[in-house]
Amino acid sequence: GAGVSQSPRYKVAKRGQDVALRCDPISGHVSLFWYQQALGQGPEFLTYFQNEAQLDKSGLPSDRFFAERPEGSVSTLKIQRTQQEDSAVYLCASSSRTGAGDSPLHFGNGTRLTVT
Amino acid sequence: AQSVTQPDIHITVSEGASLELRCNYSYGATPYLFWYVQSPGQGLQLLLKYFSGDTLVQGIKGFEAEFKRSQSSFNLRKPSVHWSDAAEYFCAVGGMEYGNKLVFGAGTILRVKS
Repeated sequence: GAGVSQSPRYKVAKRGQDVALRCDPISGHVSLFWYQQALGQGPEFLTYFQNEAQLDKSGLPSDRFFAERPEGSVSTLKIQRTQQEDSAVYLCASSSRTGAGDSPLHFGNGTRLTVT
Repeated sequence: AQSVTQPDIHITVSEGASLELRCNYSYGATPYLFWYVQSPGQGLQLLLKYFSGDTLVQGIKGFEAEFKRSQSSFNLRKPSVHWSDAAEYFCAVGGMEYGNKLVFGAGTILRVKS
């Protein structure tokens, strides 16, 4: 597709369930980012991939959060044993260049996760 | 410490009036600066960016922003607001001091009254 695609669009999980969120970046984009956006807040960085390598995972809030991009294209963000504080919109972004310093990010529409 | 500050949570302007949204960043010798817009239920769309050179940059939808190093600011402006500009606006900063990521402000919600 032409843009970054995320699925599912909405996800409701009971506390303690595991969830998996998918991101299809723009074809050929080297860099892929995951951000978490809580209600009323700006996006907060979670993790960064350059191709299949996870170069920065400093923003992952706990070891319940895990991300992968095994073939350097599609990425999955997994959250184990979800907690209510995990409720947020999870945004994926990609870029044709490495890093995010000097290249604009192209964002998907996000996955809204609600943990009940 | 907050790296990007957007001091106005909400701003309301009349259609046709001018607009200025404020953004200040904490540090960075050579920051890369961005403004994004987010409509409800949508992802973020890039309005404009500043990397170097002319400190006044033009973006899409008639927006512009001015980088002022002495004030560590990158304010977004539009001479005449349209009702369709109602959305949330995010300032973001990147660069060596910020690692491999863009750091976003908390956003400013723009309401346009007719």
